[in-house]
Order: sequence, then C-alpha cells, then structure tokens
Amino acid sequence: AQSVSQHNHHVILSEAASLELGCNYSYGGTVNLFWYVQYPGQHLQLLLKYFSGDPLVKGIKGFEAEFIKSKFSFNLRKPSVQWSDTAEYFCAVDKTGANNLFFGTGTRLTVIP
Amino acid sequence: DSGVTQTPKHLITATGQRVTLRCSPRSGDLSVYWYQQSLDQGLQFLIQYYNGEERAKGNILERFSAQQFPDLHSELNLSSLELGDSALYFCASSPQKTDTQYFGPGTRLTVL
Repeated sequence: AQSVSQHNHHVILSEAASLELGCNYSYGGTVNLFWYVQYPGQHLQLLLKYFSGDPLVKGIKGFEAEFIKSKFSFNLRKPSVQWSDTAEYFCAVDKTGANNLFFGTGTRLTVIP
Repeated sequence: DSGVTQTPKHLITATGQRVTLRCSPRSGDLSVYWYQQSLDQGLQFLIQYYNGEERAKGNILERFSAQQFPDLHSELNLSSLELGDSALYFCASSPQKTDTQYFGPGTRLTVL
C-alpha cells in the first residue's frame, strides 16, 4: 500500500533559522508530489507541487522542495523562517492518474519570534 | 480563499443521527473530492466525483455516501453517526480528473 511518512511531528525554530521537513513515500511508480500548509484555523493551501521536470521546485512564500527519486523523498525547505510560517505542513503523494492524495501525518512547525 | 465553499462551517449532532455536508467547487472545476481529517487517522481521502460520476473511492465507510449534482456541487451524507465520526471534513476541487486540488475551509462535525 502506498504510504507517506513525515518523520518530524513537531519542529520548533527561532525566526531566521533554516527549515527542512522530511517526506518519504513508499510507492515505486510515477508520482505527483505536493506540500500543503494549514495555518491555525484555516484550510489546506497548496505550497508547491512536483509533476515532472526540474526536481527542485519553488513554491509560494519562499518555500522550495527537492524530489530525489532514488531516495523516494520530497523534502521541504526554507532558508529563513518567519513567525508567520507557524502552521502544520502536509506532504501528499498522488499516484499519477489516480489523483487520490495520500497525505502524511503532518509536521507542526512553531516559529518563535 | 481557494474558491471552494463548504457549508455548514460547524455542525453539532448526536449519535445515530444523519447529516449532510455541502460543497461548491471552484468555478469551472469538474472534479470534487472529499477528505476526512481526524486526530487519530490524519487526513484521509474518502471519495472523488468527476462531472457527476463517482471516479474513485478511498476509506469511506458504508454509512457514508456522496453525490455530485448537475450543477457540480456535491453533498456528503453521513448516517448512523458515531462518536468517532467527529472530524473535519474537507472538500477539494480540480478542473479535470488529475489536476492540482484546491481545498475548501472544511466542515467541523462534532458528534455528541
């Protein structure tokens, strides 16, 4: 069965620190990959996505992610976090053609001013 | 604002009852998806409709059903409710069958 692992459950950083959130998936075929963010009390918003092409994907708000096929990973990065980045971050995988998103358990990011 | 609307925002009901959650997709989107977000199960895909037809089923209980109407809005029906059905129910939409999904604000269901 397809699964998505986010190993960091809760990350606490100071403002201006660099961020890397891990995401690994188990499906061996072609996949589409996503990172969504959920700010407190709000709905899921798309941060970035990878369908094909350049494995380094840039998203909104200064976030980027790198798809490493050999490691089945799609880690999210930001060089300098802000207090407003405090939110829950979800990695999601879609087996191409199915468009049924399998979500990881999420990583809660707390940024301390 | 993603353009996906869901009503109601909050719903409180009792065990054994039946409720209907409504979703209006973004203008022009043909696909609608339903997800359940609970503390113990995380975010799980329930069901997808495309242009009125059921396209894919995930971890949807038999007590739950959904449909998509000719105007493309969708309803998720939850019956014989149990305490464990308390969750946030999200609807998402996409233009076609395999595009990026845009999520609505969710309906928070509390079963007492």
